[in-house]
Amino acid sequence: QKEVEQDPGPLSVPEGAIVSLNCTYSNSAFQYFMWYRQYSRKGPELLMYTYSSGNKEDGRFTAQVDKSSKYISLFIRDSQPSDSATYLCAMSRGGADGLTFGKGTHLIIQP
Amino acid sequence: DGGITQSPKYLFRKEGQNVTLSCEQNLNHDAMYWYRQDPGQGLRLIYYSQIVNDFQKGDIAEGYSVSREKKESFPLTVTSAQKNPTAFYLCAAAAADYGYTFGSGTRLTVV
Repeated sequence: QKEVEQDPGPLSVPEGAIVSLNCTYSNSAFQYFMWYRQYSRKGPELLMYTYSSGNKEDGRFTAQVDKSSKYISLFIRDSQPSDSATYLCAMSRGGADGLTFGKGTHLIIQP
Repeated sequence: DGGITQSPKYLFRKEGQNVTLSCEQNLNHDAMYWYRQDPGQGLRLIYYSQIVNDFQKGDIAEGYSVSREKKESFPLTVTSAQKNPTAFYLCAAAAADYGYTFGSGTRLTVV
């Protein structure tokens, strides 16, 4: 079983829809959870950062972490064509030993 | 602006040649990382450094080498021992347990 599982997609939805992106993980030591957005041929940019379980909201984006189920989600409300990108989940045990990434979900928002 | 600068953006390597990818940061972050990204593979950790003059191997360090002589700089050398070097290389920096900031990447191609 891989440490972090993420459906690669592509996931195609119409503009204005609510998007749900998810990752599951196996390592219960993970405490820090992040979502990155990556446009083609660019470096990833941090969207959301969460410590431990709970929800965090930032504008149209909501991140959820359920440590008991080892499941994290990113919701995008009122999706826009500019949200079309690859979304990577990432997680860490803490300290400075690097992040473990999912493979990324390719999201397409249809105008 | 604070950030990570990677150069060159595109790099071509001949068989048996060593090449060095540059990564510079002005964020004053202690920790720096090198990741490799392949299509469908997600990001994989090559090397990381928490302080100057110290670095650790990541998951796929074979065929790569790094140095950390200055806090701002963390160059990666892809040696001739790396048999499949064609990939997108990403450098990142982080402070404590906050989200990582990535550079814009270097695309390396073997010719």
